[in-house]
Amino acid sequence: AQSVTQPDARVTVSEGASLQLRCKYSYSATPYLFWYVQYPRQGLQLLLKYYSGDPVVQGVNSFEAEFSKSNSSFHLQKASVHWSDSAVYFCALKGPNTGNYKYVFGAGTRLKVIA
Amino acid sequence: DPKIIQKPKYLVAVTGSEKILICEQYLGHNAMYWYRQSAKKPLEFMFSYSYQKLMDNQTASSRFQPQSSKKNHLDLQITALKPDDSATYFCASSQERGGAIEQYFGPGTRLTVL
Repeated sequence: AQSVTQPDARVTVSEGASLQLRCKYSYSATPYLFWYVQYPRQGLQLLLKYYSGDPVVQGVNSFEAEFSKSNSSFHLQKASVHWSDSAVYFCALKGPNTGNYKYVFGAGTRLKVIA
Repeated sequence: DPKIIQKPKYLVAVTGSEKILICEQYLGHNAMYWYRQSAKKPLEFMFSYSYQKLMDNQTASSRFQPQSSKKNHLDLQITALKPDDSATYFCASSQERGGAIEQYFGPGTRLTVL
């Protein structure tokens, strides 16, 4: 079965601190993996994606994520958060097969950055 | 310019009525999707279309009917509206090309059913 688990529904960090948002997936093969961000009253925006190769991928706004096949994880990280990073973050996967149109999203992690 | 247009942005309907949510994408993508987001379920996949053909339907109710009149349009007709249908509905698109590529999302239509 395909699934994405984001174990932390809410995370609060201080501005300037480092951040890790966790994502675990379940899939029979190595899927395509994505992180999206949703700001209040907006649609989802792509932060970064992993297809293959280097397990550390860089995204927009200094976010990066590390894929681990052994741990079935794709954690999102940022070295120093800003108050504007407060948003909901979604991890998602998609099967690598052509003609597979199913994307599976996690429940999201709501990030609050405090002064 | 917005690449995915959803209309209207806000919609208020009465129980039992019918509404159509509009989605147009100008990214040249061949696949389009509908998702629903509410307080009960953060992001719920509803439908996927490719080249105007239904690929996947995860919506149990037949009250929700996607309609694709053009390859870059995927509207969502909802009949016999219920208060539980209140949610934000997001349209998305992607280009299926040799595997997978990321989805792009529209700004959403916030539906309130009274």
